[in-house]
Amino acid sequence: KQEVTQIPAALSVPEGENLVLNCSFTDSAIYNLQWFRQDPGKGLTSLLLIQSSQREQTSGRLNASLDKSSGRSTLYIAASQPGDSATYLCAVMRGSYIPTFGRGTSLIVHP
Amino acid sequence: SQTIHQWPATLVQPVGSPLSLECTVEGTSNPNLYWYRQAAGRGLQLLFYSVGIGQISSEVPQNLSASRPQDRQFILSSKKLLLSDSGFYLCAWSPTGLGTDTQYFGPGTRLTVL
Repeated sequence: KQEVTQIPAALSVPEGENLVLNCSFTDSAIYNLQWFRQDPGKGLTSLLLIQSSQREQTSGRLNASLDKSSGRSTLYIAASQPGDSATYLCAVMRGSYIPTFGRGTSLIVHP
Repeated sequence: SQTIHQWPATLVQPVGSPLSLECTVEGTSNPNLYWYRQAAGRGLQLLFYSVGIGQISSEVPQNLSASRPQDRQFILSSKKLLLSDSGFYLCAWSPTGLGTDTQYFGPGTRLTVL
């Protein structure tokens, strides 16, 4: 059974810091890995999708890497801003239609 | 562009009452559709997914059921709610195919069972 762990569970940083959020998974036989953002009481917004054959994806200040063999992914946020405050979730697609989500990292960026 | 709607946004129901949550997608055809539940202190749990009209797969045995009466409509139901059914219910879609593409989520329904 696939298990996805996100570390840390919570993070509070001052504005401007560079951040690394971690995601690990137990079964390396995945189709892809996706990072999402969730604001309180809202749905999830997709940030980055990394296919199993890829090593990383970038979008603006966000960079996600994937090391399938070690079962790890990191989400790097450069020059954090208060607007980045949210919960960040990673999900791995272990079957054609079946994602497994981590519990998320709750991020607060204070001015 | 594609949009996904869920209603109601919030719902408070007594134990033992029925449930019907609706999700619709616009701007795409034959999407893969998903129902998730997010309970307090727990991760996002996949409940059902559908790759076509009338095709429903269940991931977790429980007192909930799902139906897809139309191509872009996905309904989550229960005949008798339990306290443990409280949570945040999210509908999502992905483009037709293997289901390995990006998932797009709706705004969610907050269900409280008293």
